[in-house]
Amino acid sequence: QVQLQESGPGLAKPSETLSLTCTVSGYSISSGYYWGWIRQPPGKGLEWIGSIYHSGITYYNPSLTSRVTISVDTSKSQFSLRLTSVTAADTAVYYCARGVIGAAGWGHWFDPWGQGTLVTVSS
Amino acid sequence: NVLTQSPGTLSLSPGEGATLSCRASQSVSSSYLAWYQQKPGQAPRPLMYGASTRATGIPDRFSGSGSGTDFTLTISRLEPEDFAVYYCQQYGSSPITFGQGTRLEIK
Repeated sequence: QVQLQESGPGLAKPSETLSLTCTVSGYSISSGYYWGWIRQPPGKGLEWIGSIYHSGITYYNPSLTSRVTISVDTSKSQFSLRLTSVTAADTAVYYCARGVIGAAGWGHWFDPWGQGTLVTVSS
Repeated sequence: NVLTQSPGTLSLSPGEGATLSCRASQSVSSSYLAWYQQKPGQAPRPLMYGASTRATGIPDRFSGSGSGTDFTLTISRLEPEDFAVYYCQQYGSSPITFGQGTRLEIK
């Protein structure tokens, strides 16, 4: 079955860049689907960060688009998140997930999800 | 498309039925609405997609309905493991958005 696992530093300093990687097993990224990042500040709700299609096309949340880059490395079965100029407001559990497309268009829901990784932004 | 879930907290007993609401600020095209369950320390678990289709492995006591701007998740007979936080998500328009969640707690 498909499994996703986030990895990366658990601590980032203000103004620096947060970088996370999601490793996918049990499925070939290049075969299809979207691959997305979602975050959840402690005690709060979920926020979609962005998604990348297996072809490399990306979609970002407009609230973060100036700071976000999502990329894919099909040879390693990984996709990655870069978030620049982080502040304390970026402290959250970051999840990666596979995006399942609706019958038409680009919209997608997420299944399955990785376990999540907590990133704290602090000096 | 802002999603507003109600109530914020629902207190019920095992065996009772639960009705959770998700209202969108704009019509959700093609009923592209999903529901997730999240327990403490765990990732969200998909329950429904397309407003009314159960995800793989979800028991039939969970059902979804609605269209346009009003959607409902119904749990017919609450089991102890159903007490959690529930989120709706729309994927009919960009950006993808989630509701703020409904906490279902044991009364």
